[in-house]
Amino acid sequence: ETGVTQTPRHLVMGMTNKKSLKCEQHLGHNAMYWYKQSAKKPLELMFVYNFKEQTENNSVPSRFSPECPNSSHLFLHLHTLQPEDSALYLCASSQDPIRQSGGVFGPGTRLTVT
Amino acid sequence: GESVGLHLPTLSVQEGDNSIINCAYSNSASDYFIWYKQESGKGPQFIIDIRSNMDKRQGQRVTVLLNKTVKHLSLQIAATQPGDSAVYFCAENNAGGTSYGKLTFGQGTILTVHP
Repeated sequence: ETGVTQTPRHLVMGMTNKKSLKCEQHLGHNAMYWYKQSAKKPLELMFVYNFKEQTENNSVPSRFSPECPNSSHLFLHLHTLQPEDSALYLCASSQDPIRQSGGVFGPGTRLTVT
Repeated sequence: GESVGLHLPTLSVQEGDNSIINCAYSNSASDYFIWYKQESGKGPQFIIDIRSNMDKRQGQRVTVLLNKTVKHLSLQIAATQPGDSAVYFCAENNAGGTSYGKLTFGQGTILTVHP
């Protein structure tokens, strides 16, 4: 256990479904992140939240909608996804939002869009 | 055409040997670098970091070397063990004077350690 948990660990959804990924960190960090890891590209940053405020949206399509109700929880709401969105979605947290030093990743949610 | 996956570089070593994993980074303005290890079924795990005002940093069994002239980063693992088998990623960060930095990851190298 790294201190960052993600649920569910595996998710299969159709293109018309709506689902949400959840991330929780127990480390007292102030910054949280969503990353996408696919077989076709290097690990990609999607969103950054610092003290619950979104500070980065790395040109992510609107079918991905993040939510950060507090510094310990982060959600990624999914709707009308495409098969190419199938990937491992990783959540991370860090105390330092600038360097992301000491950043800790969760185990990821393996998403398959059918 | 059909998309293909990343073809990651691979490194195979014998247990007890030293391993060197290399990474070329792209942004000459990057001022902070991190090495991560990712085992199968897990998220990336922080190994060691280095700032651009240094050219070498040592941890437990690991050493990171930074050559800013040629934008090259390497991770040296001493006395490699089977548990070191994983994918290793380098990441660069350029806060660029902004309030929030953004890590850019390399494609990764697969390290396989044979007993």
